[in-house]
Amino acid sequence: AQSVAQPEDQVNVAEGNPLTVKCTYSVSGNPYLFWYVQYPNRGLQFLLKYITGDNLVKGSYGFEAEFNKSQTSFHLKKPSALVSDSALYFCAVREGAGYSSASKIIFGSGTRLSIRP
Amino acid sequence: EAQVTQNPRYLITVTGKKLTVTCSQNMNHEYMSWYRQDPGLGLRQIYYSMNVEVTDKGDVPEGYKVSRKEKRNFPLILESPSPNQTSLYFCASSAFQGPSYEQYFGPGTRLTVT
Repeated sequence: AQSVAQPEDQVNVAEGNPLTVKCTYSVSGNPYLFWYVQYPNRGLQFLLKYITGDNLVKGSYGFEAEFNKSQTSFHLKKPSALVSDSALYFCAVREGAGYSSASKIIFGSGTRLSIRP
Repeated sequence: EAQVTQNPRYLITVTGKKLTVTCSQNMNHEYMSWYRQDPGLGLRQIYYSMNVEVTDKGDVPEGYKVSRKEKRNFPLILESPSPNQTSLYFCASSAFQGPSYEQYFGPGTRLTVT
């Protein structure tokens, strides 16, 4: 069965420092991986995704993520954190690729990112 | 503007009183889904739909019903709500075919069942 783990409930970083939010996954086939961000009192917003190809994926707001097949990880990164990056971040993996396949999506439990000025 | 809308945004009800949360998308997406968000548990999928008249259970379908009679609408029905269904609910949609699998989320519906 597929699963996603976000091992840290909270990550605290000083503004201007690099940040990493960790995600590991388990799927039986090729993974389709996503990062979403949730700001207070808002729905989730798509940040970036890995489908195939280059292992380094760039997304919105200066975020990027590195797909590592051997470590089954998809960590979210940003070179220089901003206070406005403070939010709840979710990693997700999608099962199935074909039109006729079941299309379940599994989300991690979320990591709260706090950037201090 | 491309969006997913949900109504109501906030709802307080009593045990056993049937309710419906509406969801509508204007992007002609084939895939739609309902989630509930609970602290420490992330998002859990309740039901999803790959197209009109095609629905399937997610991870936590008990106590919920859905229907997909039109492509744009995907209402969530609680026939007899119970306090353990108090949660934050999100509707989402995505274009199923091709590599664009990211989802667009509605603003959420906070439900309290007393």
